[in-house]
Amino acid sequence: AQSVTQPDIHITVSEGASLELRCNYSYGATPYLFWYVQSPGQGLQLLLKYFSGDTLVQGIKGFEAEFKRSQSSFNLRKPSVHWSDAAEYFCAVGALGDKVIFGPGTSLSVIP
Amino acid sequence: GAVVSQHPSWVICKSGTSVKIECRSLDFQATTMFWYRQFPKQSLMLMATSNEGSKATYEQGVEKDKFLINHASLTLSTLTVTSAHPEDSSFYICSAQTGLHSTNEKLFFGSGTQLSVL
Repeated sequence: AQSVTQPDIHITVSEGASLELRCNYSYGATPYLFWYVQSPGQGLQLLLKYFSGDTLVQGIKGFEAEFKRSQSSFNLRKPSVHWSDAAEYFCAVGALGDKVIFGPGTSLSVIP
Repeated sequence: GAVVSQHPSWVICKSGTSVKIECRSLDFQATTMFWYRQFPKQSLMLMATSNEGSKATYEQGVEKDKFLINHASLTLSTLTVTSAHPEDSSFYICSAQTGLHSTNEKLFFGSGTQLSVL
């Protein structure tokens, strides 16, 4: 069965500290992987996506993610967090022509 | 610019009325569109999958007579919440995608519609 897990429901980091948000998936074929960010009351904004090729993907706002097939993971990282990064982050997995499934989300708080 | 336009972004309606939400792919043809629902502080749950020119496939537990989906063209899908009730208040998001074997891969989400039913 297809599924996405984000083990951390809530993470708090200090501004300027590094960040890693975990994402693990279960999918029958090689998946397409996504990270989205959602600010309160706002829609989804795509941070980055992995379809194929280089397993280290660069996204917007200084985020990057690494696809590790052996670990079925697609963790999101940022070397230095800004206060404006506080939001809800969703990992998603799917394929073109197939449904995209979202993880439960990780809420990020940033301490000034 | 946005490649998937979802409209309206916010709608308030009275209980018992119907509300239509539009999802348009602006610069590509979307053979498949998905509709998601998000309750406050929760993740996005897939409601249904629609392919252009055919009936939508609904996920288990989603009432197809209540949430009418029409995918009339390759650039437009609509979700109509019929006889809306307060429990239908939620955030609805669409996704537009090209076909599975398309050489021009497109997969984008709309900005969402916040529905509030009084």
